Amino acid sequence: NAGVTQTPKFQVLKTGQSMTLQCAQDMNHNSMYWYRQDPGMGLRLIYYSASEGTTDKGEVPNGYNVSRLNKREFSLRLESAAPSQTSVYFCASMLERDRGRRNQPQHFGDGTRLSIL
Amino acid sequence: QKEVEQDPGPLSVPEGAIVSLNCTYSNSAFQYFMWYRQYSRKGPELLMYTYSSGNKEDGRFTAQVDKSSKYISLFIRDSQPSDSATYLCAMSGGNQFYFGTGTSLTVIP
Repeated sequence: NAGVTQTPKFQVLKTGQSMTLQCAQDMNHNSMYWYRQDPGMGLRLIYYSASEGTTDKGEVPNGYNVSRLNKREFSLRLESAAPSQTSVYFCASMLERDRGRRNQPQHFGDGTRLSIL
Repeated sequence: QKEVEQDPGPLSVPEGAIVSLNCTYSNSAFQYFMWYRQYSRKGPELLMYTYSSGNKEDGRFTAQVDKSSKYISLFIRDSQPSDSATYLCAMSGGNQFYFGTGTSLTVIP
């Protein structure tokens, strides 16, 4: 039972390079999320996808793009990496978001540690 | 003002102690409350999930929610060295989740 799988686990980029972070979940979850985690800042939402075919901006979307490739996969792209994007990136998924009532908790991958020089 | 406030610690306790971790929040619309445990270089792992006010117990862990005070707590009984980790509170009431910055806990054998 893999849960949420993120690749790569580590990456070093130079300023201006582009890169795509991959995320896949095998729990048949509808919603998927991308967060970044920085010391003292906690988890901040970059983008999320409530269902296949939809994406929405979170708290810190600038400099990123996302693609919900299918129900399982949600990728995050840095078009022109900047040192301020050095962080640990986490993907999460959630079974469903019931608009009227009960939310399910999110399940996280183990992260991608990204350094931009 | 942040949506969720959490004391970052660090917190250091002897093995066997009772640990109390806390978060406060400002948005009265939050209805779903979670605690995650995060080991070094790993992703957050769901520990407890509660809806609205009240207590929930799971083994050595007890989660409490006081919506009137906008205050949630996680208690760890008989703490073990394996409990050493960062604990994140999280809450939601709509489209998004809001996380505390995490409290670092070390349990000393």
